[in-house]
Amino acid sequence: GAVVSQHPSWVICKSGTSVKIECRSLDFQATTMFWYRQFPKQSLMLMATSNEGSKATYEQGVEKDKFLINHASLTLSTLTVTSAHPEDSSFYICSARSTSGGQQETQYFGPGTRLLVL
Amino acid sequence: GQNIDQPTEMTATEGAIVQINCTYQTSGFNGLFWYQQHAGEAPTFLSYNVLDGLEEKGRFSSFLSRSKGYSYLLLKELQMKDSASYLCAVMDSNYQLIWGAGTKLIIKP
Repeated sequence: GAVVSQHPSWVICKSGTSVKIECRSLDFQATTMFWYRQFPKQSLMLMATSNEGSKATYEQGVEKDKFLINHASLTLSTLTVTSAHPEDSSFYICSARSTSGGQQETQYFGPGTRLLVL
Repeated sequence: GQNIDQPTEMTATEGAIVQINCTYQTSGFNGLFWYQQHAGEAPTFLSYNVLDGLEEKGRFSSFLSRSKGYSYLLLKELQMKDSASYLCAVMDSNYQLIWGAGTKLIIKP
């Protein structure tokens, strides 16, 4: 199956710093990538949809100036949490949609990045 | 509005069979997905249904009825490692995934 990687898997940082998370599709091209956030024992929450070469589409309530998304190539999207605060501590998961030309457009998830802001 | 409903939690016994139901109301339909998510890990893809009927894949099967807005995931010969959350997601007319809250499955020896 399609493989999506995320880096780093764990981040601990001080309040006020910025953190960049990378999401890569390793064996397929992904015109669309998604960024999710998941708090403990809660369901996935879509933050934004990222299309290669264009601006990301943010979900209601997600600050685009705080969560910067860049999708510069068909295999790489980055999420930068700017001026992180303790309430931003969460599990951030990216997914990439495989567009193989068929009807199925499965989303494959990266392993996730745990962010802890002290 | 768009809505995905699935039970919050289910308990089953090792070696048994369990069926996790999912009902949906969405604007358009381009397929239904089931994902498995172990605690502390990202979801992994299990199945995709876009036509009515049963899709079997090893110990896991997924069923879809579009007219009823209903799907189920059937897990046979349950193993302890099947303890996880199972997420139902529907792709709407804009090809966006609408997620259910997930069903936490607890397997007891």
